[in-house]
Amino acid sequence: AQSVTQPDIHITVSEGASLELRCNYSYGATPYLFWYVQSPGQGLQLLLKYFSGDTLVQGIKGFEAEFKRSQSSFNLRKPSVHWSDAAEYFCAVGLTGNQFYFGTGTSLTVIP
Amino acid sequence: DAGITQSPRHKVTETGTPVTLRCHQTENHRYMYWYRQDPGHGLRLIHYSYGVKDTDKGEVSDGYSVSRSKTEDFLLTLESATSSQTSVYFCAISGRRQGGNEQFFGPGTRLTVL
Repeated sequence: AQSVTQPDIHITVSEGASLELRCNYSYGATPYLFWYVQSPGQGLQLLLKYFSGDTLVQGIKGFEAEFKRSQSSFNLRKPSVHWSDAAEYFCAVGLTGNQFYFGTGTSLTVIP
Repeated sequence: DAGITQSPRHKVTETGTPVTLRCHQTENHRYMYWYRQDPGHGLRLIHYSYGVKDTDKGEVSDGYSVSRSKTEDFLLTLESATSSQTSVYFCAISGRRQGGNEQFFGPGTRLTVL
């Protein structure tokens, strides 16, 4: 079945530490890939997107993500986490046609 | 931020009553979407629209209907609300086809069905 998997439901990191959030997808073709962030009580904000070309994409707030075709992955990274990064993060896949799917999300807690 | 508003932002209603949620955009985007967000499920598409009067079903459309009479407005109606429809509802817009472009989200509507 086609799916978007975020294997980590919840992650806790210390402020200043590096972060990597995992995302895997299972679709036949290379989809369009996105990461969104949601702060409590808010809507979703786009962090970055991958359509084609360079497999390392830069986003807002110091985030980056790397597309690895061989692993069907699109992991989100940040070298140094700030307390304001505490939020829920969603990976999403857009397919050609009218299909757009979200992972179940990873909740990030940042400790001082 | 994209100009997307949702109303109401919060609503409590009783089982069996009709409910309409409104999404309004000022971006003149062609595509509009309604999602529901539930713990453990992420966001799931309810219905979407690809133009005025053009709508189609998403993966969780049962019990919901939509209408789009103007480019800027997309209404979601629960004809007879049930407790399983308690959720947070998000509207999104996109300038191009769903798969090929990012979506911008509204602030959400928290609906409680008692």
